[in-house]
Amino acid sequence: SQQGEEDPQALSIQEGENATMNCSYKTSINNLQWYRQNSGRGLVHLILIRSNEREKHSGRLRVTLDTSKKSSSLLITASRAADTASYFCATHNQAGTALIFGKGTTLSVSS
Amino acid sequence: GAVVSQHPSRVICKSGTSVKIECRSLDFQATTMFWYRQFPKQSLMLMATSNEGSKATYEQGVEKDKFLINHASLTLSTLTVTSAHPEDSSFYICSAREWGTGAGQPQHFGDGTRLSIL
Repeated sequence: SQQGEEDPQALSIQEGENATMNCSYKTSINNLQWYRQNSGRGLVHLILIRSNEREKHSGRLRVTLDTSKKSSSLLITASRAADTASYFCATHNQAGTALIFGKGTTLSVSS
Repeated sequence: GAVVSQHPSRVICKSGTSVKIECRSLDFQATTMFWYRQFPKQSLMLMATSNEGSKATYEQGVEKDKFLINHASLTLSTLTVTSAHPEDSSFYICSAREWGTGAGQPQHFGDGTRLSIL
C-alpha cells in the first residue's frame, strides 16, 4: 500500500526557476527519503531526513520535515532541464524493512 | 557507490511463458532485496521482500505462486513471473539494502525490467 500523497502530481517550470514538491505520510517515521526516477529507469536516492531534523540541504536540494503535520517538502533551486524526472518520497513499512513510496511528482523543466 | 544490476532490461514474450528477472548487487552483499511493480505514470508498489536463505515475504494481494522469488546468495535475487498473461505486463524494479545497514540508510535500485506479454 502507498504511504501517502504528493502534490502536485505534475509540475512544469522554466530553467532557472525553483520547484517545490510536497509529500504527506500517514504513520510515524524514523526518517523520510526522497528519490528521483528518470523515465523508464530505476530510482536514485537523493536525500534522507531523520525524524528529529527539520531541514536538510544537499547541493541545490532542500528538504523540510514537519512531523506534527506528517509532511515533507523537496525544493530544487535553480532548476535545469536535466532535473526533468519523477520525484518520490518514501518512508518505511511497519516492519521497518521495505520502502513505501508516495504517488510522486512529475517535474518537467524546459529550457 | 553501490550498484544493483537488473537483467533483462526488457522482455517481450507470448502469453503463457514464464519469465525470470535477475537482480544482482555488484559491489556489496545484500541479505534483503525488494521487488516492486510500477504501472505507467504511477508509483512503485511493493510486491515482496526477498530474504537470503529463507522464504520471501509477500505483500497482501500478491500471488506467491505467480511471482516466485528466490534469493539463493547474498548478491542475487530472482523474480519469476510464471505463466505470464497480458495483465502481468508492467515495469518491475528491484532494490537492495547493503548487509549490515539498517532502515536509516538508502536502498539501491536496479534500472528495472519492462515486461510486455503479448
